Amino acid sequence: DIQMTQSPSTLSASVGDRVTITCRASQSIGTWLAWYQQKPGKAPNLLIYQASTLESGVPSRFSGSGSGTDFTLTISSLQPEDFATYYCQQYNSFPFLTFGGGSKVEIK
Amino acid sequence: EVQLVESGGDLVQPGGSLTLSCVVSGFTVGTTYMSWVRQAPGKGPEWVSVLYSGGGTYYADSVKGRFNISRDSRKNTLYLQLNGLRVEDTAVYYCARGGIPGFPFDSWGQGTLVTVSS
Repeated sequence: DIQMTQSPSTLSASVGDRVTITCRASQSIGTWLAWYQQKPGKAPNLLIYQASTLESGVPSRFSGSGSGTDFTLTISSLQPEDFATYYCQQYNSFPFLTFGGGSKVEIK
Repeated sequence: EVQLVESGGDLVQPGGSLTLSCVVSGFTVGTTYMSWVRQAPGKGPEWVSVLYSGGGTYYADSVKGRFNISRDSRKNTLYLQLNGLRVEDTAVYYCARGGIPGFPFDSWGQGTLVTVSS
């Protein structure tokens, strides 16, 4: 199975900060990488797919980059509604689609 | 509007069985790929099973032989039958559209809680 490793696991930031979360795959997945945002008690919500394509309706302050094994999610200017947990997920290796362990963005 | 609504979660004893349902509106379950994804308390999501539009099914190793995914196209509903439940199956179970290479999970239900405990 492909393992997905996220860092940091927790991040403290302030409104307006630029935030970067990284995700590393244990083997190459091309650009078959998605990012999800999850708030407490809610389902994950798709933000970015194919490593860098913004899902419809997602604010442009979110961006994704990377290919192969190393990927990045960036929030250019953190907003109050962005405090949440973020997960990366590879959908290259079938049928074992794996998620990262999560990165929680907390208020500083 | 796309909507997925799960139900059927409950408290069950180890070794017990349960059937989860996911009623879908806004698209047809029989024409796309539908998955179940679970999330144990305090953990990240874990893919459980996928049902292809053509009827093929796949399961995570942790549930293979114990869980069964199916659908009723007339009711536009996805099911997950859980047998031989273990304490480690305790989680919120989500149905989601997607789950194969090239298709991320782009729509999710609100989840239903399964608790396995004696």
